[in-house]
Amino acid sequence: LAKTTQPISMDSYEGQEVNITCSHNNIATNDYITWYQQFPSQGPRFIIQGYKTKVTNEVASLFIPADRKSSTLSLPRVSLSDTAVYYCLVGATDSWGKLQFGAGTQVVVTP
Amino acid sequence: DAGVTQSPTHLIKTRGQQVTLRCSPKSGHDTVSWYQQALGQGPQFIFQYYEEEERQRGNFPDRFSGHQFPNYSSELNVNALLLGDSALYLCASSLDGLLPPQHFGDGTRLSIL
Repeated sequence: LAKTTQPISMDSYEGQEVNITCSHNNIATNDYITWYQQFPSQGPRFIIQGYKTKVTNEVASLFIPADRKSSTLSLPRVSLSDTAVYYCLVGATDSWGKLQFGAGTQVVVTP
Repeated sequence: DAGVTQSPTHLIKTRGQQVTLRCSPKSGHDTVSWYQQALGQGPQFIFQYYEEEERQRGNFPDRFSGHQFPNYSSELNVNALLLGDSALYLCASSLDGLLPPQHFGDGTRLSIL
């Protein structure tokens, strides 16, 4: 199983770009990389998923280098409402049950 | 369009009791997964139901059981409650379960006294 490593916490100011890097050295060929956001007392919210190179949607970008041993979630121009815990998960379509949410990265955005 | 709904939102039980938590998936979704999230930790996968069958199971004892109904709603049952079962229980739904869960409910907060 691909274990992930993320920073425990990150601080940022409003309007800045926040980049959270996740290490997954033993990622398997069939594994996808998925990121979630979670606010206190709420369920996780799917942000973005990718396999390789770059994926972008309306809220974030996901950068995956060619060796896929890491990935970076980029949140452009964060606001106070982006203060949350962010989780990086790695898994394949037939093994979601083996996915492990780690402790995540606590992002705190201040004015 | 309602997303994933869970009930109740909060529950208090004592050790040794049994509890049933309920989940209604997002409209159009047929797969339900359950997670346990202890305070300060990430969610841990309990099991997944598809076509009324348990398809995958995480590392949880048999005290944790579930059920999926023909309308795709699901129940999580926990017997012989322990203090360590105190947690936020999350339900997630998806279509076919072939993608990571994209819709989570806001959970049931279970407290064991």
